[in-house]
Amino acid sequence: QKEVEQDPGPLSVPEGAIVSLNCTYSNSAFQYFMWYRQYSRKGPELLMYTYSSGNKEDGRFTAQVDKSSKYISLFIRDSQPSDSATYLCAMKRASNTGKLIFGQGTTLQVKP
Amino acid sequence: NAGVTQTPKFRVLKTGQSMTLLCAQDMNHEYMYWYRQDPGMGLRLIHYSVGEGTTAKGEVPDGYNVSRLKKQNFLLGLESAAPSQTSVYFCASSTSSLAGAPETQYFGPGTRLLVL
Repeated sequence: QKEVEQDPGPLSVPEGAIVSLNCTYSNSAFQYFMWYRQYSRKGPELLMYTYSSGNKEDGRFTAQVDKSSKYISLFIRDSQPSDSATYLCAMKRASNTGKLIFGQGTTLQVKP
Repeated sequence: NAGVTQTPKFRVLKTGQSMTLLCAQDMNHEYMYWYRQDPGMGLRLIHYSVGEGTTAKGEVPDGYNVSRLKKQNFLLGLESAAPSQTSVYFCASSTSSLAGAPETQYFGPGTRLLVL
């Protein structure tokens, strides 16, 4: 069983829709939870991160962490065609410098 | 400021051949990483380095070697390529850890490797 599970999709939504992307994990030692965005044939780039449980908002993006359920989510409001990309969740332990564990990535397409 | 660059962008190898992938960063980052990305598998860490002259194994190190002779460069070597090493390889770099925040990893554009 993978430490981090993510539905690969693909997920297709109309422009303006609210998108929900999710990951589950099995290692309770994870403390930092990140979302990376990867456009086609490019390297991933950090979108946002959350420490421990709770919510974090950045513009149209909201990250949520529920450590009791070992479940994290990324919500995208008013989705745009430019949001079409693969979204990867990533996690790490507080003590484990640099070693990220990634989910498989979810491919999102936002149709105009 | 180029960030993280990777050479080459694309390569075709025959089984048993060797090659070296070069990663360079101009952000003076302490940490550097090599990942591979395969369909349905996400990114998996091959090797990483927390400073010049140091390297450590990641999740999938078998069949690969690395060297970090200079702070700005991180080399990934395949001594005897196998079809199972067909993948997209990403290099990343980050600063050292700051209390209360994870290190943001900055990725290069990737190297597509096909082993026949």
